[in-house]
Amino acid sequence: EPEVTQTPSHQVTQMGQEVILRCVPISNHLYFYWYRQILGQKVEFLVSFYNNEISEKSEIFDDQFSVERPDGSNFTLKIRSTKLEDSAMYFCASSEGLGVQPQHFGDGTRLSIL
Amino acid sequence: DAKTTQPPSMDCAEGRAANLPCNHSTISGNEYVYWYRQIHSQGPQYIIHGLKNNETNEMASLIITEDRKSSTLILPHATLRDTAVYYCIVRVVGGNKLVFGAGTILRVKS
Repeated sequence: EPEVTQTPSHQVTQMGQEVILRCVPISNHLYFYWYRQILGQKVEFLVSFYNNEISEKSEIFDDQFSVERPDGSNFTLKIRSTKLEDSAMYFCASSEGLGVQPQHFGDGTRLSIL
Repeated sequence: DAKTTQPPSMDCAEGRAANLPCNHSTISGNEYVYWYRQIHSQGPQYIIHGLKNNETNEMASLIITEDRKSSTLILPHATLRDTAVYYCIVRVVGGNKLVFGAGTILRVKS
């Protein structure tokens, strides 16, 4: 069964450094998402992306964050200048469409900011 | 998106059916009910979704009440590997995001 893959599984970064989290969505999917989950808390929506544009973003997704689909297969989340509070699991998801099709998630990248 | 209410935790004996309830009394006509689960340190896994008819797939069954104000996810023969947090999410057709609550921690015990 096709799946969403994320790399790396664990990223350790110094505060203030830039980090790029990578995702390969399911190949025929057109909509892409990032969510995060701080340890012990709920899964939170960050951003959705379609047709090379952000279609919706949350208040968490401030100017420090950006997303990109640099080629036909990858979808990336960049955090420009990391803060301690960015430490979390980051999940990528994709869906075929915006109708009723479900979103399918990867197993996440654990980001640890030191 | 309508708010959902789930019990914080449930226990189930291995091999028995697990019935996980969800209340969504403010659901509107163009909102679907989705169920996901999250096994420890993994990403949320899609289980099933429905609008108003009962649905069944290889993982589970979804029973939605006639007034659509509540639903039940049924795992027919729970195994230890079904121990996870189960999320009931209501999402409008065409909506971008999933709004996760705290979910129900299901513990399957031998």
